[in-house]
Amino acid sequence: EVQLLESGGGLVQPGESLRLSCAPSGFTFRNYAMAWVRQAPGKGLEWVSTIGGDGVATHYADSVKGRFTIARDNSKNTLYLQMNSLRAEDTAVYYCAKVRAWGSDQFDYWGQGTLVIVSS
Amino acid sequence: EIVLTQSPVILSLSPGERATLSCRASQSVGSNLAWYEQKPGQTPRLLIYDASNRATGIPARFSGSGSGTDFTLTISSLEPEDFAVYYCQQGSTWPLTFGGGTKVEIK
Repeated sequence: EVQLLESGGGLVQPGESLRLSCAPSGFTFRNYAMAWVRQAPGKGLEWVSTIGGDGVATHYADSVKGRFTIARDNSKNTLYLQMNSLRAEDTAVYYCAKVRAWGSDQFDYWGQGTLVIVSS
Repeated sequence: EIVLTQSPVILSLSPGERATLSCRASQSVGSNLAWYEQKPGQTPRLLIYDASNRATGIPARFSGSGSGTDFTLTISSLEPEDFAVYYCQQGSTWPLTFGGGTKVEIK
């Protein structure tokens, strides 16, 4: 059974940093691209970033480019999202998602999400 | 950026009725389109991938069709558990984008 467990969310002030983690299980982690998708309170889904299985190829939404960094450690089966210079508009539930197939970037499994609140 | 426009925003139907949801892309995405269901307080769930393929464990009452710029999600006969928000998403071109969602509510 595929499971994705996010952690690292919390309350931070504008301009601060936070690192999210995702611990997947139930599949061969290194064989799949992974992504972060977020959802602001009461709003729709917004793709944030995707990383290839080997950790080389990365893509970002314009709204986070230059501030967020996606990374993975295949030896530890862990996905990360380093978030710097956080803004109020980054407040959201952040979901870790497994990409079904590279090149057909759709998400077949999702974690339960971790809440990030950016507020002074 | 490819913009996905979902319609209607809200669909009011009764259990047993047929639901037809639309997703229109601002440029062609081929067949690289997925549909997700999200119930209140729950995580999104993949229903349809590559426009017309049901994901694992998804009931046969859910079907997807379309290619290029126009896509449809059909629920042939609504069950009580189907009242939720549905999102389309394109995986063809970076940045990946989602539609704004269609809420299927009980009439």
